Amino acid sequence: GQQVMQIPQYQHVQEGEDFTTYCNSSTTLSNIQWYKQRPGGHPVFLIQLVKSGEVKKQKRLTFQFGEAKKNSSLHITATQTTDVGTYFCAGKPPTGNQFYFGTGTSLTVIP
Amino acid sequence: ETGVTQTPRHLVMGMTNKKSLKCEQHLGHNAMYWYKQSAKKPLELMFVYSLEERVENNSVPSRFSPECPNSSHLFLHLHTLQPEDSALYLCASSQENSLGANVLTFGAGSRLTVL
Repeated sequence: GQQVMQIPQYQHVQEGEDFTTYCNSSTTLSNIQWYKQRPGGHPVFLIQLVKSGEVKKQKRLTFQFGEAKKNSSLHITATQTTDVGTYFCAGKPPTGNQFYFGTGTSLTVIP
Repeated sequence: ETGVTQTPRHLVMGMTNKKSLKCEQHLGHNAMYWYKQSAKKPLELMFVYSLEERVENNSVPSRFSPECPNSSHLFLHLHTLQPEDSALYLCASSQENSLGANVLTFGAGSRLTVL
C-alpha cells in the first residue's frame, strides 16, 4: 500500500541553524503538500508542489519536489523559535483524491 | 479561527458510552474529512464526504459512525470505544476541483480519552 515516510522523526537545532526534513514515497505522486502543526495545535497548510523538480520558496522556507516525483524536502534557513512544530508532508497518488500523510518531523529550536 | 469549528475540544468517555463529535465549516467547501491523530503515528484518514456522499471509508471499525447531513456539517458518532481509540480527532474540509488538488483546512481537533 501507499507509504509516505519522513526523516528525521525528531530534530533539535540551535536558533540560527538550518533544518531540513525529507519525505519519501513508495510510489510516484501526482502532487505533494506540506503542513505545519504547532505544539497543541492543528495542521496548517504551507504549500503544494505539482511539477517534477519544482522548487518553491516562502521567506526562509524552501520546498523541493524530486525529479521522479517520489520525494520532497523542506529546508528552513536560520531557524527561529517560531519555527517550532511538526512538519508533515502529504502525498497524493495519480489516482484517487486521498492524500497520504507522512510520519512528520518534530522540530525543536533551542534559543 | 480556521473556518472549521470542532466541538467538543475535549471529551472523556467510558467504553460503554455513546457520544458524538461535531464539525462545522464556514468556508463553502464541498468535501469534509475525519482524521485520527495518535502519538507517533501518521495522520490516518477515516472518512471522506464529497457533496454529502461518503466516498472513502478506510476500514474504520463500526464503533465509529460518520454522518454528513449537509455540506457544512459533519458528525462522528462514537459507541463502545476502546482505550486504544484515545486520540486527537481532526476534521478538515476542502474544495474539490477537477484537478483533485485539494488543500485541507483543519479544525482545532477534539481530544478524546477513552477510559
